[in-house]
Parts: sequence; C-alpha cells; structure tokens
Amino acid sequence: DAGITQSPRYKITETGRQVTLMCHQTWSHSYMFWYRQDLGHGLRLIYYSAAADITDKGEVSDGYVVSRSKTENFPLTLESATRSQTSVYFCASSGIDRDGYGYTFGSGTRLTVV
Amino acid sequence: GESVGLHLPTLSVQEGDNSIINCAYSNSASDYFIWYKQESGKGPQFIIDIRSNMDKRQGQRVTVLLNKTVKHLSLQIAATQPGDSAVYFCAEKSPGTYKYIFGTGTRLKVLA
Repeated sequence: DAGITQSPRYKITETGRQVTLMCHQTWSHSYMFWYRQDLGHGLRLIYYSAAADITDKGEVSDGYVVSRSKTENFPLTLESATRSQTSVYFCASSGIDRDGYGYTFGSGTRLTVV
Repeated sequence: GESVGLHLPTLSVQEGDNSIINCAYSNSASDYFIWYKQESGKGPQFIIDIRSNMDKRQGQRVTVLLNKTVKHLSLQIAATQPGDSAVYFCAEKSPGTYKYIFGTGTRLKVLA
C-alpha cells in the first residue's frame, strides 16, 4: 500500500540482539497497530496506539517495545530477540474512529532470529 | 512469498464457479465485521465489511452474509477467477473498541 510502508522487508538477526522494525504512514491516521502472523495462529496483536504518545499492549506483547512520538511513525523494537519471535510482522493503521472501516496493512516484515 | 497458511483449511473451486468461505466468530456482541484477502507475500487487503444491524451486503462480485443467531459470517465470491486465489480472513470488532479479532483464515485455490 502506498500510504503505509514497513522496513526492512526482510531481516535476519541473532538471538539476543535488539532489532527495530519501522512503520510509516502518510495519512495521519490516529490508530496504528502491530501484528505478528505465524503458521496456525493467524494475526495476533502485539501493540496498538490510539494517538501519538498513547500506546497499549495487545495479547502477545512480552519481549516487544513500541513508541509513538510522531503520528506517522510506530516503530516496534524487540529488546533481545528470541527464536520464538521469528515471524512475519504487519503494521496497520486506521483513520476512522472505533466505528470505522478497519485497517490498512503494510506489506510486512519477515523476521528470522537465528 | 511467505508460507503463512500451510495448515489452513483449503477450498478448491473451478474457475468460473462461485465460492463460499465461512467463518465462525466468537463474540455475540461484536458490532462490525470485515473480510480480508491476503495474497502470498503481501499484507491483508480489505474486501468488504458489514455492520451487525445488517444481514447481507454486496460488493463487486462479493457478498457477505451475517447470521448473528449462530455467530456465522460467510463470503461469497461470484465467478471465481485465478486472481482470487489467496487466504481469506474474517475479523470482528466489539463495541467501544478499535481492535479486531482475526480468524485463522481459509485458503482459496482456483483451478483452471
């Protein structure tokens, strides 16, 4: 999607290293989300944010940290990567309020922890 | 592309036939539902949505049906095309929240 970009597209890192996945949207959407997608689990929410400087945990937040100093950016950091964090990570944004039209997803980051 | 759906249920249909993909949702209070399509190596894309005060909504070649009595959602694709091959997810949202719960998905394979 042209309006929401994730980087890098692919990343290989070693166990114990810190790694940051970037997400940038150009719509000034209020809401942003991080999901991970694994075989047999579908999309699971890691963290979400309702606005700049407002973030909250999702169902699988352990080992992850987020920040939202600017509306357009929502980086996800793995503080000390583990093999169980090998996954495909999707960022999403939504500009409508809670009765709105759902998310627009980025293209994903495939992270491999070795 | 990513192989995120190796263990997903699969629906195989002949090109030109109609497809019906089903989803059972979890919360009887959910007020908004979306169907997403995910092609290999890409993020999920919005297809169609429906609010809980409706039981049917039609788009271009797609129809979503909602049965609140049995908490069931279905996506019908008319005249299925090779480009429809993908994994399809349903998602539900509860009132007063902007978070969605996603189903695990169904893989649709279109046979030539």
